[in-house]
Amino acid sequence: SQQGEEDPQALSIQEGENATMNCSYKTSINNLQWYRQNSGRGLVHLILIRSNEREKHSGRLRVTLDTSKKSSSLLITASRAADTASYFCATVTGFQKLVFGTGTRLLVSP
Amino acid sequence: DTEVTQTPKHLVMGMTNKKSLKCEQHMGHRAMYWYKQKAKKPPELMFVYSYEKLSINESVPSRFSPECPNSSLLNLHLHALQPEDSALYLCASSRPVGDYGYTFGSGTRLTVV
Repeated sequence: SQQGEEDPQALSIQEGENATMNCSYKTSINNLQWYRQNSGRGLVHLILIRSNEREKHSGRLRVTLDTSKKSSSLLITASRAADTASYFCATVTGFQKLVFGTGTRLLVSP
Repeated sequence: DTEVTQTPKHLVMGMTNKKSLKCEQHMGHRAMYWYKQKAKKPPELMFVYSYEKLSINESVPSRFSPECPNSSLLNLHLHALQPEDSALYLCASSRPVGDYGYTFGSGTRLTVV
């Protein structure tokens, strides 16, 4: 089952630009997480925001959460070619059920 | 050790074969998961083990049989698979409760011929 949808589906930018991805979800959540996946291999956990938080920062990442709109955004500032990957939001609903959104494919060109 | 190790990395099997995927972690996580991911799609949850007990089965066909022999190991036994079962199979672990991220392995790419 799929909890959320992300947009855009694909994003192409130049190095140094900012990248913003949006995630919408359907049900109430305990927390929302963002993951990165390179070339169809394992996922790497980037950041977690709790349902009672509105904004969180980690290095070049900024995540916002609006529970009234059931939406979140991930901002990557000063993008690098190494940021090229697929990015997924994922929500924890109920007990230990991490469900992923549709994903955004980010291409950062040198 | 902050990794989840999956073996093998690649597996090709016939529809009549029996094979197993293995997953190991030494982070003391007491929850472990199997996900299936088709190309250009998000991972889909298959099974959740909590304290070595199966807690969630997302209506997965019985040709997939999970096993958790101890708190560090998770297996997925495969039998009589179909070509449409070809996918990337991901194992993950996490603390069993609370607001923590999941740690994923690099996956097993399975091809059923």
